[in-house]
Amino acid sequence: AQKITQTQPGMFVQEKEAVTLDCTYDTSDPSYGLFWYKQPSSGEMIFLIYQGSYDQQNATEGRYSLNFQKARKSANLVISASQLGDSAMYFCAMSYSSNYGQNFVFGPGTRLSVLP
Amino acid sequence: DGGITQSPKYLFRKEGQNVTLSCEQNLNHDAMYWYRQDPGQGLRLIYYSQIVNDFQKGDIAEGYSVSREKKESFPLTVTSAQKNPTAFYLCASSFRRNNEQFFGPGTRLTVL
Repeated sequence: AQKITQTQPGMFVQEKEAVTLDCTYDTSDPSYGLFWYKQPSSGEMIFLIYQGSYDQQNATEGRYSLNFQKARKSANLVISASQLGDSAMYFCAMSYSSNYGQNFVFGPGTRLSVLP
Repeated sequence: DGGITQSPKYLFRKEGQNVTLSCEQNLNHDAMYWYRQDPGQGLRLIYYSQIVNDFQKGDIAEGYSVSREKKESFPLTVTSAQKNPTAFYLCASSFRRNNEQFFGPGTRLTVL
C-alpha cells in the first residue's frame, strides 16, 4: 500500500538558516510523483515543489529544493535562508496510479517554526 | 481567474442535520477530491472523482456522500450518519497524472 512517512512532528530553525524536512514513501508503482505543500495557519494548501519518479535532477523552486533519493525512497524538502513567513505545517504527498486512475496520499505533516 | 472555490468558509450544523459543502473549479480539471483534516493532523481522503458521473470512496467515506454531475462541481454532503463531523474540509482538483493538486480555501464545519 502507498504510504508517506514524516517522522518530525515539529521542527525549529533560526531565521536565515537552512532546514531539512524529512519524507519517506512507499509504493510499488514505478511511476509516481512527489509533492510538498505548505499550510499556514489560515488553512490554505500551497503547492511548493514537485519531483517525478523518472526525473534525474533534484527539483528546485526558489528557496525550496527537493533532495530525491530514489533507492532510499526519500524526498526531503530543503528550505534555504528560512524566513519568519515559512512558519507553517508542511505536508509531503505522493501521486500514484490506482485501479481508478490517479490518487494521492499525504503524510501527517511537520510543523516548522522559524525563530527570529 | 482560474481556481477552486469552496463555500461557505464557516458552517455550523445542528446534530442530526445533513449539510452540503460546495466545491467549484474552473481549471478544466478532470479529477476532483475531498479531504478531511482534523486539528494538528494530516489530510484524509473522503471521496474522489476522475470523470463526470463517477466517483470512488476514499479512506473515510462513511457518513459522507458526493455527486459529480458536472465537470466543474463536486459537492460533498455530510450526513447525520457521520458521528464526528466537526473538521476542516478541503476540496482539490488535478489535471492529469502526476500533476499537483490545486486546493480550495476550505470549509470549517462545526456541529453544535
